[in-house]
Amino acid sequence: NAGVTQTPKFRILKIGQSMTLQCTQDMNHNYMYWYRQDPGMGLKLIYYSVGAGITDKGEVPNGYNVSRSTTEDFPLRLELAAPSQTSVYFCACTPGQSVSGANVLTFGAGSRLTVL
Amino acid sequence: DAKTTQPPSMDCAEGRAANLPCNHSTISGNEYVYWYRQIHSQGPQYIIHGLKNNETNEMASLIITEDRKSSTLILPHATLRDTAVYYCIVRLTGTASKLTFGTGTRLQVTL
Repeated sequence: NAGVTQTPKFRILKIGQSMTLQCTQDMNHNYMYWYRQDPGMGLKLIYYSVGAGITDKGEVPNGYNVSRSTTEDFPLRLELAAPSQTSVYFCACTPGQSVSGANVLTFGAGSRLTVL
Repeated sequence: DAKTTQPPSMDCAEGRAANLPCNHSTISGNEYVYWYRQIHSQGPQYIIHGLKNNETNEMASLIITEDRKSSTLILPHATLRDTAVYYCIVRLTGTASKLTFGTGTRLQVTL
């Protein structure tokens, strides 16, 4: 049981390049989230999804796109990378519905992106 | 989801109890209080959650005031490995809410 797997762990991009950060979970959770964390700051929500085929914007969606074609995968696409997108990106998931009331987020290990 | 307020930083001596406060004065009746922590640059890790009653697990205790407007996370015997940023969040369970994190409390455990 791997939990939440993010790839790549590290990446350096040139300004204007595009790339996709991959996120896969094997817990069959409905809700998935993408956060970014700038140095010394808290987590900011980029996009989230409540199930396959459904996505919605978070606090800072500009410059990013997501898709959710399956329950397991929630890739984050960066189009035309900019230095302001240099950050650590975290993917997370949660069941969404729980009899016990627990709706615990499980996070991936993060993807560190540098745009030069 | 209700907003939370936490002190930006706290210190604690190793072996002593660390008490981290969180204010959530606008919490509604069916919102849960969750605590997470983030060690260095790792992904945040779940610690504990509660609705009304005090809760305890192998990591920590959660004390929620009777009016539910504030809570305290207690690490009974802090170690150097507990140095981290601690986040308190409040949310409804089972909702498609935009789950957001504040800046948390940076706990520094010292010798």
